[in-house]
Amino acid sequence: GQQLNQSPQSMFIQEGEDVSMNCTSSSIFNTWLWYKQDPGEGPVLLIALYKAGELTSNGRLTAQFGITRKDSFLNISASIPSDVGIYFCAGQLGYGGSQGNLIFGKGTKLSVKP
Amino acid sequence: DAGVTQSPTHLIKTRGQQVTLRCSPKSGHDTVSWYQQALGQGPQFIFQYYEEEERQRGNFPDRFSGHQFPNYSSELNVNALLLGDSALYLCASSLGAGANVLTFGAGSRLTVL
Repeated sequence: GQQLNQSPQSMFIQEGEDVSMNCTSSSIFNTWLWYKQDPGEGPVLLIALYKAGELTSNGRLTAQFGITRKDSFLNISASIPSDVGIYFCAGQLGYGGSQGNLIFGKGTKLSVKP
Repeated sequence: DAGVTQSPTHLIKTRGQQVTLRCSPKSGHDTVSWYQQALGQGPQFIFQYYEEEERQRGNFPDRFSGHQFPNYSSELNVNALLLGDSALYLCASSLGAGANVLTFGAGSRLTVL
């Protein structure tokens, strides 16, 4: 099935560092979302973006909906140990009931630097 | 307020068998979507149920079927299991079929031997 291109695949963080990850697609999306998944849990919504160019923050997290509507990025500032996990971007192609399903990226795995 | 609950949490089946997974949506939600998440991958959309009908379907064969009950709970059935069906099956609920704010359950981990 169709998936988004998410990078990096994995990264190591040290407490206090800033983190950036992004997602690109060959298709135009009308909505971009960022989820975090911890081991043994389902994905939890972090940020939702609904308009091209939109920049939205949720605490230390900031995400932007690319102006071309084909990309999005997520930044985490001053990372803390509980930021460890897998981050997924997801896009929605259309509005309304006809295209409500989400297309997910493969995820970016955040781990703590040894 | 209970979130999305799924059962069973883990199960093991053999090739050719059939499996049924169950999902109770978050209180107040009326729409259930099912996703398959293979190891190391993002979730892949299987189908969505709203008003007891399948509203949308992803690229999955007919071996995957579902049902939604009047209380909005849902079942996912997979027939003639293949090794490649081994995955985490996630149920997500929402209010309205077009909503993109999904609440996910913790999933049912299926292993096919």
